[in-house]
Amino acid sequence: DAKTTQPNSMESNEEEPVHLPCNHSTISGTDYIHWYRQLPSQGPEYVIHGLTSNVNNRMASLAIAEDRKSSTLILHRATLRDAAVYYCILITQGGSEKLVFGKGTKLTVNP
Amino acid sequence: NAGVTQTPKFRILKIGQSMTLQCTQDMNHNYMYWYRQDPGMGLKLIYYSVGAGITDKGEVPNGYNVSRSTTEDFPLRLELAAPSQTSVYFCASRMTGGNQPQHFGDGTRLSIL
Repeated sequence: DAKTTQPNSMESNEEEPVHLPCNHSTISGTDYIHWYRQLPSQGPEYVIHGLTSNVNNRMASLAIAEDRKSSTLILHRATLRDAAVYYCILITQGGSEKLVFGKGTKLTVNP
Repeated sequence: NAGVTQTPKFRILKIGQSMTLQCTQDMNHNYMYWYRQDPGMGLKLIYYSVGAGITDKGEVPNGYNVSRSTTEDFPLRLELAAPSQTSVYFCASRMTGGNQPQHFGDGTRLSIL
């Protein structure tokens, strides 16, 4: 299984941008980069995914390094509701479907 | 849309009892997963299935069994409950393809005393 590495925790202030990093140095050409978040006492929810190009949706932006060995989830204006654990995982097109999550990054947003 | 539905939401078991955690999805997804999450920890994969009749072990399968007789249902069975199985259990499903997101249920909080 391809592995990802994330910082254990990060802190931000409300209404400021947040950049959550993820390293995936062993990524293969068919691996998609997915981000999920888990709000307190809830199940994880999908945030965004990408393959090579940067992606934007209503929740966040995903910036992917040119060599694809790292990516950054960007929350443009953090709110208190964004306080959660954020997981970065790789999903292989046509590969093993054994999806293993790491410990993720716990984001604290200060008012 | 119902999505992924887990029942029950809460349950307390005595040591040695057995129970089945139910998981149903109405999105016709091929893949289904069971994870457990201990307090303050990340998700650990218990079992997964790539289609009806096919299941495989994840990271922490001991003490659990699964079956997948239909596309919609993926029940998780605890045969002899132990205190170490106290956890929150999440079921998830997704379609084939690296660009397909995973959908999670709301979880079952299980305490074994």
